[in-house]
Amino acid sequence: KAGVTQTPRYLIKTRGQQVTLSCSPISGHRSVSWYQQTPGQGLQFLFEYFSETQRNKGNFPGRFSGRQFSNSRSEMNVSTLELGDSALYLCASSLGTSGNENEQFFGPGTRLTVL
Amino acid sequence: KQEVTQIPAALSVPEGENLVLNCSFTDSAIYNLQWFRQDPGKGLTSLLLIQSSQREQTSGRLNASLDKSSGRSTLYIAASQPGDSATYLCAVRGSNYQLIWGAGTKLIIKP
Repeated sequence: KAGVTQTPRYLIKTRGQQVTLSCSPISGHRSVSWYQQTPGQGLQFLFEYFSETQRNKGNFPGRFSGRQFSNSRSEMNVSTLELGDSALYLCASSLGTSGNENEQFFGPGTRLTVL
Repeated sequence: KQEVTQIPAALSVPEGENLVLNCSFTDSAIYNLQWFRQDPGKGLTSLLLIQSSQREQTSGRLNASLDKSSGRSTLYIAASQPGDSATYLCAVRGSNYQLIWGAGTKLIIKP
């Protein structure tokens, strides 16, 4: 069974640009969560999608948005990039919403560098 | 507001030792707690998930315990090996259903 895949693995952008990151969950998983990891702030929750609906959202500005498709694949978009957006963006998938179904499995991440 | 703390921030031990990593949280109203490892520059690997109703989980040489009333979890690694070297993170799923993360413990096992 294939794991969580994220594309691209590395990305370099300049300030003011926008970027779209993609995440394909484990087959059968319906929940996808996104996290930002930086040396200063550690891991921070961005948002979670379940069955194409945003179910939960962290404390990030509106420049960060996402969506989920009917096949559970998810995309995350960051508009008007800032230097501080440079981070490892991690995607995690889980089966569902309760008990052991919400055990999270992570992809390798997308390393975004903003110049 | 839930806060998760991991102590120590770094740990270096010789191969073969048994060791304990600590995770504490401020709000006992949690759904579950999950332990992960992260290798440099890579994503996270799930190690153990403990539901709020459980006291411990075991997988191979790993054993994780949960004491909700005291807001603590420990990850016990038996007979450590150099391949265990990584950063270990704990995450708590709180009442808002979000995962709140500790800063991690960087573990180095010396051959």
